[in-house]
Amino acid sequence: NAGVTQTPKFRILKIGQSMTLQCTQDMNHNYMYWYRQDPGMGLKLIYYSVGAGITDKGEVPNGYNVSRSTTEDFPLRLELAAPSQTSVYFCASSYSTGGRSGNTIYFGEGSWLTVV
Amino acid sequence: AQSVTQLDSQVPVFEEAPVELRCNYSSSVSVYLFWYVQYPNQGLQLLLKYLSGSTLVKGINGFEAEFNKSQTSFHLRKPSVHISDTAEYFCAVSELKAAGNKLTFGGGTRVLVKP
Repeated sequence: NAGVTQTPKFRILKIGQSMTLQCTQDMNHNYMYWYRQDPGMGLKLIYYSVGAGITDKGEVPNGYNVSRSTTEDFPLRLELAAPSQTSVYFCASSYSTGGRSGNTIYFGEGSWLTVV
Repeated sequence: AQSVTQLDSQVPVFEEAPVELRCNYSSSVSVYLFWYVQYPNQGLQLLLKYLSGSTLVKGINGFEAEFNKSQTSFHLRKPSVHISDTAEYFCAVSELKAAGNKLTFGGGTRVLVKP
């Protein structure tokens, strides 16, 4: 059971560089999410997707982009990396019908990103 | 919009002692409530959730939580902790009828179980 898989696990970026965090899930979930976790702040939603071809902004989308071309994959792109994007990033997925909430969200193991 | 406050950022506790982690939320609409646990260097996993029905919810690893609507609280308890319960615990809410099944998290409570 792979669940939600994120790569890379660790990355150091220089200011102004770009990179993509990869995320894939094998549970046939329709909903996928990207969160960032900063110390003492809990997790903040960056972007989410309710299905292939549909994405929407979360609470902290600035500086990021996403795409959802398949059900399985939901990559997160950082353009022009800044020190404020130093964080731990979590991809997650869930299954929902009729747009209802309350279903369990499954998380990947996280990607530690440092921007210097 | 919702917000979640976890009143304690750190809780040290001795092994086999009880622990209670406090969570209060604010929302203008009805919400579902969750507790997630994050072990060191891992992702989050669901401990328990309240959707409806009995206000006392039992979860994995001997944890339980009680929903109190009048006090807008969802405190997590365990009667006897083990060293393996050392982790960070997150309370979260989602709106009943909001699209996207999105969670709003509290800041987390770090539990350190001492022998």
